[in-house]
Amino acid sequence: EVHLLESGGGLVRPGGSLRLSCAASGISFTGYAMAWVRQAPGTGLEWVSVVSGAGGVTFYADSVNGRFTISKDDSNNMVSLQMNSLTVGDTATYYCARVSSDIVDRHFDYWGRGTVVTVSS
Amino acid sequence: DIVMTQSPDSLAVSLGGRATINCKSSQNILYSSNNKNYLAWYQHKPGQPPKLLIYWASTRESGVPDRFRGSGSGTDFTLTISSLQAEDVAVYFCQQYYNTPYSFGQGTKLEIK
Repeated sequence: EVHLLESGGGLVRPGGSLRLSCAASGISFTGYAMAWVRQAPGTGLEWVSVVSGAGGVTFYADSVNGRFTISKDDSNNMVSLQMNSLTVGDTATYYCARVSSDIVDRHFDYWGRGTVVTVSS
Repeated sequence: DIVMTQSPDSLAVSLGGRATINCKSSQNILYSSNNKNYLAWYQHKPGQPPKLLIYWASTRESGVPDRFRGSGSGTDFTLTISSLQAEDVAVYFCQQYYNTPYSFGQGTKLEIK
């Protein structure tokens, strides 16, 4: 059975940092692009970032560009999202998702259950 | 940026009935070089990971029941769920993966009438 498990969420003050991680069982991240998607309370899904299968190509939503960094570690079958300079607007459930290919412009074939990030003073 | 707009926001259908969810993109998401529409549909139930249903606008993911059907091209797309089952209660999202940011529709909440 396939599981993607996000971790690292929690409560953080505005301006603070968090590092989210996503580990998989039952599937491999090697050779696959990986993405992060978030959902703020009461809203729809917002794409955050994607990294190519080889890890060399990354894209970010304008709302997080320059503050968030995505990376993947194929040896440990993990993808991470380093989030700096957090604002209240970053409060959301963060999902990791596997892209169905090594290139970024493909659908997401597996998702995690999400980890909650709350930014509040 | 490409804006994805779904309609309706919510929908109530009788068991065994047909549900139709529409998704409109603000720009063409049909890539001419491969003739593929860069459009996916997902099902999201509370407490569960979102689940891929349809990709390339009309290709059903392995294991997805054939009562789920995706159609459309260019800027207008439809997810049709025929013979609605109780387990189909969920929020359904469309997503374009043609250009970053890979935007989602706002979601359609499907309930049983």
